[in-house]
Amino acid sequence: DAGVIQSPRHEVTEMGQEVTLRCKPISGHNSLFWYRQTMMRGLELLIYFNNNVPIDDSGMPEDRFSAKMPNASFSTLKIQPSEPRDSAVYFCASTTLAGPYNEQFFGPGTRLTVL
Amino acid sequence: ELKVEQNPLFLSMQEGKNYTIYCNYSTTSDRLYWYRQDPGKSLESLFVLLSNGAVKQEGRLMASLDTKARLSTLHITAAVHDLSATYFCAVAYGNQFYFGTGTSLTVIP
Repeated sequence: DAGVIQSPRHEVTEMGQEVTLRCKPISGHNSLFWYRQTMMRGLELLIYFNNNVPIDDSGMPEDRFSAKMPNASFSTLKIQPSEPRDSAVYFCASTTLAGPYNEQFFGPGTRLTVL
Repeated sequence: ELKVEQNPLFLSMQEGKNYTIYCNYSTTSDRLYWYRQDPGKSLESLFVLLSNGAVKQEGRLMASLDTKARLSTLHITAAVHDLSATYFCAVAYGNQFYFGTGTSLTVIP
């Protein structure tokens, strides 16, 4: 299994630009989570999907952030317009709700720098 | 909202010594997870603890869960340099995970 795949791995952009982060969950997993990690705030849950449906987006910082999951194998997190305070590592994680463990498997992350 | 507290936040220990990291949480849960994160890397699952009294061991690491006390521990035995990393506990509530602040462990010769 390839694990959770994220792209790009690194993104450097200028303030005001649109940024799109991509995630491919593990095949067969039906829940997908987007997290943001910074030194100051630690690991924060932004949004999660069950069966492609957004369940809880209360962690999305503001309207500049949006996430979609058009099918079971693909999700995007978009920031428009980006700001320097959005600089962080963004992780995508997936899990299956079918078994007893439900552990989340994390992708390698996207390191975003907004100048 | 479920709160998860880890302590210590930073831990510097000598090789060969033993130590314990603590994870306290505020709301009843029957699933607790431990993750490891190396600098600049992703989170790697270490242990899944599903019931009161559960104990899991892998090499020099042993994790336990006391659901009545809402406490999990990660015990390190005879630390080696390779264990240097940040360790997170995560408590499941519904479908969501609530992560602790992490414990940054440095093992020094």
